[in-house]
Amino acid sequence: DTAVSQTPKYLVTQMGNDKSIKCEQNLGHDTMYWYKQDSKKFLKIMFSYNNKELIINETVPNRFSPKSPDKAHLNLHINSLELGDSAVYFCASSLARQVSTDTQYFGPGTRLTVL
Amino acid sequence: AQKITQTQPGMFVQEKEAVTLDCTYDTSDQSYGLFWYKQPSSGEMIFLIYQGSYDEQNATEGRYSLNFQKARKSANLVISASQLGDSAMYFCAMIRNTGGFKTIFGAGTRLFVKA
Repeated sequence: DTAVSQTPKYLVTQMGNDKSIKCEQNLGHDTMYWYKQDSKKFLKIMFSYNNKELIINETVPNRFSPKSPDKAHLNLHINSLELGDSAVYFCASSLARQVSTDTQYFGPGTRLTVL
Repeated sequence: AQKITQTQPGMFVQEKEAVTLDCTYDTSDQSYGLFWYKQPSSGEMIFLIYQGSYDEQNATEGRYSLNFQKARKSANLVISASQLGDSAMYFCAMIRNTGGFKTIFGAGTRLFVKA
C-alpha cells in the first residue's frame, strides 16, 4: 500500500507547455507539501497545504498553482514551462500536530524535463 | 537566518565501520524538530530518524543514532556497522513552525561505503 503516491514519475515536455503532477496520500495526514529538488540535489519547499488551505508559499512564480480538492490530494499545475523548471518534484505529507516530532513522508518524486 | 549546514559533500567509509555525518543548524526558535533522510540512487526520500528540540535523550533507530548537542546546535547522524546499501545521499533537515510547518534542508552528504 503506497503511502504517498505521485503521477507521473517522469514527465518530458516542451518549453511553453502546461503540465500537472498529481499527489495523493492515504495516511490520513492533514498537511501536504510540494518540494523542488534541483540538479545539485538541493531540496526546497514550494508550498504547503493544511486541510485544503494554502499555508506556505515560498515565493514560487505564479506559473505554479497548487490545488487541493481534499486533504488527501495536492496537485501541482505548471503553466508556460521554462527550461529552469526541470527538476525532481516531491510531494510529502505529515500530521503537522507538533513541530518537534513531525515526520514528513515523501512520494517517489516526479522527474520533470523541459526541452 | 534559519539554516542547516552539512559541511561534508562526500564521505567514504569501510563496510562494517561506523560513520558520522555532520549537521549544524541555526535557529532562534525554542521548539523545532531535526530529521535525517536518506536518498539512494533510485531517488526516493526515506525518513531515518528525528530528534525533538526538547528531547534530552539522543534518538536511536536501529543502526542509526542522532548525536544531538543543543548548545552547539549540532545534530550529527551516526551510522553503525555500515553496509553497502547505506551508500546514498543523506539530508539533514529542520522543521519550524512559521504559521505553518516549514522544513529546510541541508545540501546533503553523499556517503560511499567501500567493500
